[in-house]
Amino acid sequence: DARVTQTPRHKVTEMGQEVTMRCQPILGHNTVFWYRQTMMQGLELLAYFRNRAPLDDSGMPKDRFSAEMPDATLATLKIQPSEPRDSAVYFCASGLEPGLAGVYEQYFGPGTRLTVT
Amino acid sequence: SQQGEEDPQALSIQEGENATMNCSYKTSINNLQWYRQNSGRGLVHLILIRSNEREKHSGRLRVTLDTSKKSSSLLITASRAADTASYFCATSWAKLVFGKGMKLTVNP
Repeated sequence: DARVTQTPRHKVTEMGQEVTMRCQPILGHNTVFWYRQTMMQGLELLAYFRNRAPLDDSGMPKDRFSAEMPDATLATLKIQPSEPRDSAVYFCASGLEPGLAGVYEQYFGPGTRLTVT
Repeated sequence: SQQGEEDPQALSIQEGENATMNCSYKTSINNLQWYRQNSGRGLVHLILIRSNEREKHSGRLRVTLDTSKKSSSLLITASRAADTASYFCATSWAKLVFGKGMKLTVNP
């Protein structure tokens, strides 16, 4: 039963600390997405990668957020320094290259619930 | 900003009733997808309808798409308590853009 895994599931940290969230996409998927979900903003796309190359990170605050894929089995999202307004659930999703039809079906991980105090 | 906007934002019904959710969007799309999110979990893909399709069925789900009105509807027939969740529409052109979601409560 292939699924996207995310660690940690919960993280509580103090303002100013570095936070690293990790995601293991489904084996064989070549596209990875990072989303942030809050009550106020809903589900926002932060960044996505295809074949480990960043395609779009326009939704990500560049001064404090960074996303990487060191290899095909690991994607990371870092926040440094963290702020209380970063408190949210962060989801990773993976999928297959859409092809000519432009279809993106995404498989979501369980999320990392981040609380910054 | 979100591309899709679900309507209503919350719906409460009795088990066995049908639930209809609507989604409106602003720009051209390749396809539109519906996802479900159970409390505290990630989103799960339900159904996809392409821009050249008008209606699609999957089990108890029926999706319609009206590109002239830039709207879609998701119908869940014979609802069950297990259908209690938030439902999102997501439009796709170069990437998926999600709406804010609609919370469905099915009371036993």
